[in-house]
Parts: sequence; structure tokens; C-alpha cells
Amino acid sequence: KAGVTQTPRYLIKTRGQQVTLSCSPISGHRSVSWYQQTPGQGLQFLFEYFSETQRNKGNFPGRFSGRQFSNSRSEMNVSTLELGDSALYLCASSPFPGTINTGELFFGEGSRLTVL
Amino acid sequence: DAKTTQPTSMDCAEGRAANLPCNHSTISGNEYVYWYRQIHSQGPQYIIHGLKNNETNEMASLIITEDRKSSTLILPHATLRDTAVYYCIVRVRAAGNKLTFGGGTRVLVKP
Repeated sequence: KAGVTQTPRYLIKTRGQQVTLSCSPISGHRSVSWYQQTPGQGLQFLFEYFSETQRNKGNFPGRFSGRQFSNSRSEMNVSTLELGDSALYLCASSPFPGTINTGELFFGEGSRLTVL
Repeated sequence: DAKTTQPTSMDCAEGRAANLPCNHSTISGNEYVYWYRQIHSQGPQYIIHGLKNNETNEMASLIITEDRKSSTLILPHATLRDTAVYYCIVRVRAAGNKLTFGGGTRVLVKP
């Protein structure tokens, strides 16, 4: 069974540009969550989608947005990039929203964004 | 979600058991304890979780004290591949898929 796939794995942008990252969840998983990881702030929750609806949102500015498609694939977008947006962006999938039974999220390897 | 406290780092000898402590003195009755780990340059990996009973799976054991204010993750026979940052997370059932990661414990398994 293929794992969570994130593309691109690495990318470089300049300040002011925008970026779109893609996440394909494990087959059959309908929930996708996004996290940002930086050396200073650690792992922080961005948002969660289930059935094309945003179910939960972290404390990030409106420049960060996301969406989910009918096939459960998800994209996140960051507009007007700032230097501080340089980070590893991780996507995680699970069969249902809030896997209260297993608490298990399956993470991808991430997309490493560098903003110059 | 309850706050957790973990040691910043610890070393462990290969083949020996690694005991990773976590304090969560403000845990509520409906909050679970989850453990994840992150190997360098990879996404976090779920290890185990529990409410109040001790739990064991193929990766590790989770020992939760009777008052639930602390827990210990046990890696029974640490290997070099267990070198990673280990995160103890406490959260309610209805928190969706939001996990609040702290600083974790950086575990170095030495030959």
C-alpha cells in the first residue's frame, strides 16, 4: 500500500511569490492534515480537511490556505511568501477525521520550501 | 490539550532498553497519551497511544502511572535505527487530527 505522497519534495521561491504543495493520502484515507516544521517553532498544525471541508485550522495567517478534492488529494497554498515561511511542510492522512480509535496519523516525507 | 514535559535528550546503548519519560501532570480524564517519533528528514511516525492501561505493540510499550500524571515509553531492544526525536502528546478524543507537538526527546542510540 503506497504511503502519503507529497510533491514537490524540494523547492526554492523568492519573497512575494506564492507556492502550491500537493499531498496524495493513502488510498482509502479521507482525512488530510497539514503541518509546518521549522527549527524555531517545531511542528505546528496548519489545517485539517475531510470530505473536501476544512474541519480544523491552526493559528496561521490567511496567506496559508488549503483545499481538498473529491479524490481526497489535498493542496496547500502560501501566498506572498516571507523568509519565515521557509520550512518543511508535512502532510498526514488518516481514514477518518480525528482518529480517536487509533490516534494514528500517517505522515509523508514533506516538502521542503526555501524562501530567498 | 495538556502540556507535556520531556527531557531534551538522552543516550541509549544499542540492544538495551530505552526508557523515555513524559510528565503530563495536568492531564484530564478524557485525554489520551500518544507517542510519535521523527527520524531525521522523515515525517513523524506513530508509535503507540493509551488512556490509562499499559499498552504494548510491536514497536514499544507504554506505561502510564496510576494517577496518569506521567508515562514512560519503552523501546525494549534499541537499535541504531531508533535514533530519532520522540514526542509525547496528550490530547482529547475530539481534537480532530490536530496534534500539538512539543520539543520532544532527542534519543541517540550508540553502538
